[in-house]
Amino acid sequence: DAGITQSPRHKVTETGTPVTLRCHQTENHRYMYWYRQDPGHGLRLIHYSYGVKDTDKGEVSDGYSVSRSKTEDFLLTLESATSSQTSVYFCAISEGAEASSYEQYFGPGTRLTVT
Amino acid sequence: AQTVTQSQPEMSVQEAETVTLSCTYDTSESNYYLFWYKQPPSRQMILVIRQEAYKQQNATENRFSVNFQKAAKSFSLKISDSQLGDTAMYFCAFIPSNTGKLIFGQGTTLQVKP
Repeated sequence: DAGITQSPRHKVTETGTPVTLRCHQTENHRYMYWYRQDPGHGLRLIHYSYGVKDTDKGEVSDGYSVSRSKTEDFLLTLESATSSQTSVYFCAISEGAEASSYEQYFGPGTRLTVT
Repeated sequence: AQTVTQSQPEMSVQEAETVTLSCTYDTSESNYYLFWYKQPPSRQMILVIRQEAYKQQNATENRFSVNFQKAAKSFSLKISDSQLGDTAMYFCAFIPSNTGKLIFGQGTTLQVKP
């Protein structure tokens, strides 16, 4: 257990509403990630962070924004939710000083349904 | 594009037997790291095993081992003495050293039968 929590764990929202998912870690790791998991696609990277206020886009970043104002928190925001954003969202952390050389550990996931 | 392919969507194995899950990847990088993750019905992603591309020796972790063939870009997972608790979806993934971004395959659902 790498001390990662996600909130909320489940959420149902309506199309067009903003949604923010929170990832919290207790161990001050530098790298944090947001993924989405959809059938047939495995996990795909949305955004990641390599430090406070340092973020970059992943493979499927359109429609999502992120913020990291503290080391322990990484927020994912859907500015205007769409049905195509119905998915399971995972947060992950990497323990290493270099992102590419260390395994990632995942939070429990958030199931988001957009109706 | 860098990709990971798991060609077996579903597999089954009898308890106590051995099963091998296949994974191939495509990259032009010479240095990278490979992983297998397990996702049981609880949905939690659990790291199973890791392999550094510069190491020729195959990684082993208890009943789990890999067959890493760098030239063929193949990274299969062997589970020995399968247990009911091994029932899960298994994901192959790799990180190219120049990006730090983890790339996943589509997953293989493994059912262990009693």
